[in-house]
Amino acid sequence: GQNIDQPTEMTATEGAIVQINCTYQTSGFNGLFWYQQHAGEAPTFLSYNVLDGLEEKGRFSSFLSRSKGYSYLLLKELQMKDSASYLCAVVDSNYQLIWGAGTKLIIKP
Amino acid sequence: GAVVSQHPSRVICKSGTSVKIECRSLDFQATTMFWYRQFPKQSLMLMATSNEGSKATYEQGVEKDKFLINHASLTLSTLTVTSAHPEDSSFYICSAKSQGESTEAFFGQGTRLTVV
Repeated sequence: GQNIDQPTEMTATEGAIVQINCTYQTSGFNGLFWYQQHAGEAPTFLSYNVLDGLEEKGRFSSFLSRSKGYSYLLLKELQMKDSASYLCAVVDSNYQLIWGAGTKLIIKP
Repeated sequence: GAVVSQHPSRVICKSGTSVKIECRSLDFQATTMFWYRQFPKQSLMLMATSNEGSKATYEQGVEKDKFLINHASLTLSTLTVTSAHPEDSSFYICSAKSQGESTEAFFGQGTRLTVV
């Protein structure tokens, strides 16, 4: 079966760094997305990785290791507005998005 | 980036009535559209996938006669919740992607449906 695992909830301090991990087992792989979702809103795109390595985009970075079925989202200089759910989604061999359950990130002052 | 417009953003309807939600891709041709449902504090649940001009593919457990999906053009898909009941109250989100290897799915703003 297809499976994506990410922690249910994480807590971090404003100004700090946090890493949200995502491991996956899917039928095929055509890329991995990270989305941010604030409560009551639709997800917004953060990053897309299809090749191994680290992609940096401002305060957010995303890493992918296809051989390990592993990705992480790294958030630096955390701000209160970063409190949200972070969703990992893998594109399988049929180009369908397989979603993780999301990680709720709580930022404390 | 590409824009997907979903309408309405909020709707309240009486039990037993039907509600139509529209999803439009404004600046690209959406060969595939996805409809999701999200319960409070839960992840997105894929309801169905629709390809332009063909019947939608529904996920297991989703009633296709209750959740009617139409994708008649490359820029518009609709989800109709028929004979709505209070348990259908949820957040419905569409996403759209164009054909090819670029597989980013762009999301609509979502529709909060409340059935009273």
